[in-house]
Amino acid sequence: DTGVSQDPRHKITKRGQNVTFRCDPISEHNRLYWYRQTLGQGPEFLTYFQNEAQLEKSRLLSDRFSAERPKGSFSTLEIQRTEQGDSAMYLCASSLAQLEAFFGQGTRLTVV
Amino acid sequence: AQSVTQLDSQVPVFEEAPVELRCNYSSSVSVYLFWYVQYPNQGLQLLLKYLSGSTLVESINGFEAEFNKSQTSFHLRKPSVHISDTAEYFCAVSEAFNDYKLSFGAGTTVTVRA
Repeated sequence: DTGVSQDPRHKITKRGQNVTFRCDPISEHNRLYWYRQTLGQGPEFLTYFQNEAQLEKSRLLSDRFSAERPKGSFSTLEIQRTEQGDSAMYLCASSLAQLEAFFGQGTRLTVV
Repeated sequence: AQSVTQLDSQVPVFEEAPVELRCNYSSSVSVYLFWYVQYPNQGLQLLLKYLSGSTLVESINGFEAEFNKSQTSFHLRKPSVHISDTAEYFCAVSEAFNDYKLSFGAGTTVTVRA
């Protein structure tokens, strides 16, 4: 297993378009997290799955954002009608119960 | 809700000199504390963590951090840095009973010079 994998690594999109990011966690990890990181800031929590159940969503996750983890394995994060303020690094992490969270390298989104 | 303040955004340091990165947190409940490191073009990696027990925790590459409950701090130290320690360091906290959600500080960029 090579760790948490995120795809794509970079995405440039025009304002108003929809984008979807994928995260493949470490295979036996039941917890999966999405964070967002903007320039000069630390990561900010967006949402959390335990297996396929989405247990918490941050206020940062507006109605244009949706995340899924359909079979308790990979996850997708979709942003509809992107805005320039959505430009950020989107980080995925996974863990086994309350143990160490392992982070992927992130997907850098640029909205032009 | 908890929050984290990293007091230094940039720390330049010479090779083999000591370094201290300061981290203060606020929370009304028991917390777990973490330091993550991000090397250039890489993802976040856990450096060390405090969950319970001894307030002094160490990493395999010579870093240590001490949990100080009265001062709500978790400062990171290394007695002698290497060029390879150049990276961004993030302090993070989670509530002990809602341990899935990390709150991160803004990060400290450490630049080690020869």
